[in-house]
Amino acid sequence: NAGVTQTPKFQVLKTGQSMTLQCAQDMNHEYMSWYRQDPGMGLRLIHYSVGAGITDQGEVPNGYNVSRSTTEDFPLRLLSAAPSQTSVYFCASSSQGASDEQFFGPGTRLTVL
Amino acid sequence: AQSVTQLDSQVPVFEEAPVELRCNYSSSVSVYLFWYVQYPNQGLQLLLKYLSGSTLVKGINGFEAEFNKSQTSFHLRKPSVHISDTAEYFCAVSSNRDDKIIFGKGTRLHILP
Repeated sequence: NAGVTQTPKFQVLKTGQSMTLQCAQDMNHEYMSWYRQDPGMGLRLIHYSVGAGITDQGEVPNGYNVSRSTTEDFPLRLLSAAPSQTSVYFCASSSQGASDEQFFGPGTRLTVL
Repeated sequence: AQSVTQLDSQVPVFEEAPVELRCNYSSSVSVYLFWYVQYPNQGLQLLLKYLSGSTLVKGINGFEAEFNKSQTSFHLRKPSVHISDTAEYFCAVSSNRDDKIIFGKGTRLHILP
């Protein structure tokens, strides 16, 4: 099993550009989530999903969109990138939701100029 | 809504000395508590978790934590640290009321030779 994979590993955008961060898992996990990690701020929940077709907002959802059309994939879209979105983004998944161990991807380091 | 406070942003400790990393939480409902570790340039991995039952929880790499409901704390301890424990440690909380996991801001553990 590959576990949780994220692409790309690094990305540089200009302000106003859009892009999609990809996240996939091969463990048949129902629960998936996106976090951003900033120095001194820990991990902050952006969006999460408890299953295909179901998504909900986390602590910092503004500027980000998600969809969950399959169990395996949970892409994160930045519609119009801003310098404040410069961060490291982590995707995670678990089989039993928020009460279970979360398996994290390796992260995507995004810089917005 | 839940919240997590990690009282120390950095903890220096000599190799083979004991260490305690402090975590306090706030919640109006029953909680699930977790400690995760992040080694440099990697994603997070689970150290241990408390769901119910015994308040003393043992995890990987010799770590343990004690759930104290009256003090709303879940401090992480290790009796003797090694240089390989150099990492950032995150406390996290969730509940059975919603599907969100809230992370603390992290504690960097520095092992001194």
